[in-house]
Amino acid sequence: DAKTTQPPSMDCAEGRAANLPCNHSTISGNEYVYWYRQIHSQGPQYIIHGLKNNETNEMASLIITEDRKSSTLILPHATLRDTAVYYCIVRVSYNFNKFYFGSGTKLNVKP
Amino acid sequence: EAQVTQNPRYLITVTGKKLTVTCSQNMNHEYMSWYRQDPGLGLRQIYYSMNVEVTDKGDVPEGYKVSRKEKRNFPLILESPSPNQTSLYFCASSFNRDRETQYFGPGTRLLVL
Repeated sequence: DAKTTQPPSMDCAEGRAANLPCNHSTISGNEYVYWYRQIHSQGPQYIIHGLKNNETNEMASLIITEDRKSSTLILPHATLRDTAVYYCIVRVSYNFNKFYFGSGTKLNVKP
Repeated sequence: EAQVTQNPRYLITVTGKKLTVTCSQNMNHEYMSWYRQDPGLGLRQIYYSMNVEVTDKGDVPEGYKVSRKEKRNFPLILESPSPNQTSLYFCASSFNRDRETQYFGPGTRLLVL
C-alpha cells in the first residue's frame, strides 16, 4: 500500500523548473512526506522530506498543501542528469519499516 | 566516504545453489534493510533489522534469510534460489531515529537460471 499517487511520466525542458505532483489524501498527522529519485537502475537517492512546512535544500524544494493531502517537488533548474524516476513516499517518522516506494514518476528532461 | 556497499554487483547462478549477497555500511547506522525491485512492482522490502541481532520480515520474505551479527553488515542469504528470485536487490541503512532518511547501496543484479 503505497498511499501515494503520482503521474507515471512527465517531460521538462532543460533549464526550466520541474514540478512533480504527489497526492497523499489519506496521510496521517504523524506521517512525513519523503522524496527519492532513482537514476536508471542505481540505488534510490534521497532528495528531501517534510511534515507540514515547505522545505528547501540544495537539490530541491518541497511544497506541502495546507491540508497536507498533496505535495509538489520542485527542481528549480532541471538538467539532463535529473532524468530519473521520482518517488513520493509517506512514512510514519518512527516506523522505519513502513517505507513504500510506489510506482513513481519518470521525469524526462529534454534539451 | 560514507556509503553502503554491496557484493557482488552482478551474479548469475543456477536453481538451488546457495548464495549470499553481502551488504556493509560505514555510517554506524542501526537500521538496515533489503529490497528487491522488479519491473511493474517497484521496490518491495524483504527483511529489515532495527539493530544487532534484531531482524524482522518485510513484505516479501519468502525464500530469503538474513542475519545481523555486526552493526555494519547485513547479508542476504538465498538458501535455494529459484528463477522467481531473479531481480535487482538493494540494501539500505539509516540511523534508528526520528526523521532519518535511508541510504541505498548500488544494487545487485541477480539472475537465477
